[in-house]
Amino acid sequence: QKEVEQNSGPLSVPEGAIASLNCTYSDRGSQSFFWYRQYSGKSPELIMFIYSNGDKEDGRFTAQLNKASQYVSLLIRDSQPSDSATYLCAVKPDSGYSTLTFGKGTMLLVSP
Amino acid sequence: EPEVTQTPSHQVTQMGQEVILRCVPISNHLYFYWYRQILGQKVEFLVSFYNNEISEKSEIFDDQFSVERPDGSNFTLKIRSTKLEDSAMYFCASSEGVVGVSGNTIYFGEGSWLTVV
Repeated sequence: QKEVEQNSGPLSVPEGAIASLNCTYSDRGSQSFFWYRQYSGKSPELIMFIYSNGDKEDGRFTAQLNKASQYVSLLIRDSQPSDSATYLCAVKPDSGYSTLTFGKGTMLLVSP
Repeated sequence: EPEVTQTPSHQVTQMGQEVILRCVPISNHLYFYWYRQILGQKVEFLVSFYNNEISEKSEIFDDQFSVERPDGSNFTLKIRSTKLEDSAMYFCASSEGVVGVSGNTIYFGEGSWLTVV
């Protein structure tokens, strides 16, 4: 069973702080990693993806991947109250044609 | 911006009834998916569809479920005889190509909330 694990939270940070969200995965052969944001009752919305070890930055968001440790993280700089949502880590397994396996998500609360 | 559209947004049905959920994927996308999310739980893969056939399905996608692309734009999920445990948000999604290749990612519709009573 291929698993994607996330701390369910909530992770509480003050406005303007850096929020750090973490994810581990069990399938060592996984190659593609995605972060989605999901507001309550809404659909997942893609934030960014990462394929290679290291960091990838997009605006206030930085994804970090360490395949040796089977670990992927998302940093949100200058957190805003509008960032309050559940953040889903999704992994494309090595086997499998085109599906994603999701973690349960980490709830982030940014207080003004 | 192109988006995946789904209807209905909310449906209440009696146990044992058939339900059809409809989706219009993004027009230039070739891969279509159904995922579901039971309240408070994680998003789960049901099925993927490419070139007018199922390419992958999960163990959730049993004989009660079927998918169809009846015309050039719609993509449907049918649940033949609904059970209480089918109550969930059903997300249709699409991607331009194989996920993880050349930056291809999955884009989700707003979901159809199914309540089985």
